[in-house]
Amino acid sequence: GAVVSQHPSWVICKSGTSVKIECRSLDFQATTMFWYRQFPKQSLMLMATSNEGSKATYEQGVEKDKFLINHASLTLSTLTVTSAHPEDSSFYICSARLQGQGYQPQHFGDGTRLSIL
Amino acid sequence: RKEVEQDPGPFNVPEGATVAFNCTYSNSASQSFFWYRQDCRKEPKLLMSVYSSGNEDGRFTAQLNRASQYISLLIRDSKLSDSATYLCVVTRNSGYSTLTFGKGTMLLVSP
Repeated sequence: GAVVSQHPSWVICKSGTSVKIECRSLDFQATTMFWYRQFPKQSLMLMATSNEGSKATYEQGVEKDKFLINHASLTLSTLTVTSAHPEDSSFYICSARLQGQGYQPQHFGDGTRLSIL
Repeated sequence: RKEVEQDPGPFNVPEGATVAFNCTYSNSASQSFFWYRQDCRKEPKLLMSVYSSGNEDGRFTAQLNRASQYISLLIRDSKLSDSATYLCVVTRNSGYSTLTFGKGTMLLVSP
């Protein structure tokens, strides 16, 4: 089945550090990847939609200069949280969608738990 | 009104019980509907899609009422391993790619 790998699983770092999270589709090509954020007891909130070879589409209220997304290949998208602060501490999850017509399910990575001290 | 609303629970049930979760969504343009399961501190995993005619997968039955914008999930013969948070998910619009998640309903199955 389709596998999405996310790295790292856990990050703990000081305030002001920039953190890069990788999302890889291991056995399929994903033209579209999604980045979500989930705070405790809250729903997954879509942050941005990442299309290979083009600029990401950010959801309202998500700062594109704060959350840099790069989707340079069909199997890799990265999210960089720049100058992270404690309020950025959250569970970040990516998903990748197979190419194809009609509905294609999103396959989720196992998430990155980010803690900013 | 929230896009997808669910009772957060928790629902505490004994093993073997039948439990039902409900969900309402606000966007009438939504075309696809799903139930996901999320274990604590893990990523969500697709449990089942929900079709207008209703569908069943083993102990799980999903129903959709488009007129009322209402989705349900029924779990029969609950197992301890069913303990998780169940997320109601709809597509944002007539496209297929963007998903909107509910906050989830927590289920705790006890021995």
